[in-house]
Amino acid sequence: GAVVSQHPSRVICKSGTSVKIECRSLDFQATTMFWYRQFPKQSLMLMATSNEGSKATYEQGVEKDKFLINHASLTLSTLTVTSAHPEDSSFYICSASGEQGVGELFFGEGSRLTVL
Amino acid sequence: AQSVTQPDIHITVSEGASLELRCNYSYGATPYLFWYVQSPGQGLQLLLKYFSGDTLVQGIKGFEAEFKRSQSSFNLRKPSVHWSDAAEYFCAVAGGYNKLIFGAGTRLAVHP
Repeated sequence: GAVVSQHPSRVICKSGTSVKIECRSLDFQATTMFWYRQFPKQSLMLMATSNEGSKATYEQGVEKDKFLINHASLTLSTLTVTSAHPEDSSFYICSASGEQGVGELFFGEGSRLTVL
Repeated sequence: AQSVTQPDIHITVSEGASLELRCNYSYGATPYLFWYVQSPGQGLQLLLKYFSGDTLVQGIKGFEAEFKRSQSSFNLRKPSVHWSDAAEYFCAVAGGYNKLIFGAGTRLAVHP
């Protein structure tokens, strides 16, 4: 099956710094990527949808200036948490879809962010 | 608006017992439905999905799910649970093109 890779898998940073998380589709062209956030023992909440070459569409309540999403190529999307604070600590998961059709969606392994 | 409800937050079963995890959805059209499993600190693994056709869907690891339109349900079943099945299970509906809406999840514990 298709592979989606996230990096880093774990990151610890100081409050006030910015952190970038990468999501790569390794063997297909991902026209659309989705970013989810998961708090401990909770479900996945969709943060934004990004289409290659265009601005991301953010879900209601998600600060676009805090969570910068870039989808500059068909194999890479990045999520940058700017000026991170402890409340941004969470598990971030990306998923990607290409031309495989509806429902053909592939998830990354997730990235755990801890802000001290 | 689309939504998914998983009524059971925690379920505990004995190894070898049968399992049914409940999922109810709200969606205006024919839904695309999914079940995913997540081990602690890991990403999601797709167990099975339903788009159309046969309402009983077979998945990996011996799981199956049945789509019942009249009940707006897509319950996940397994006839005999193994200790390695202990994990978090998420039901999801595709709210838009591949835009998944997840239920709150059901945490499964398996007693030896």
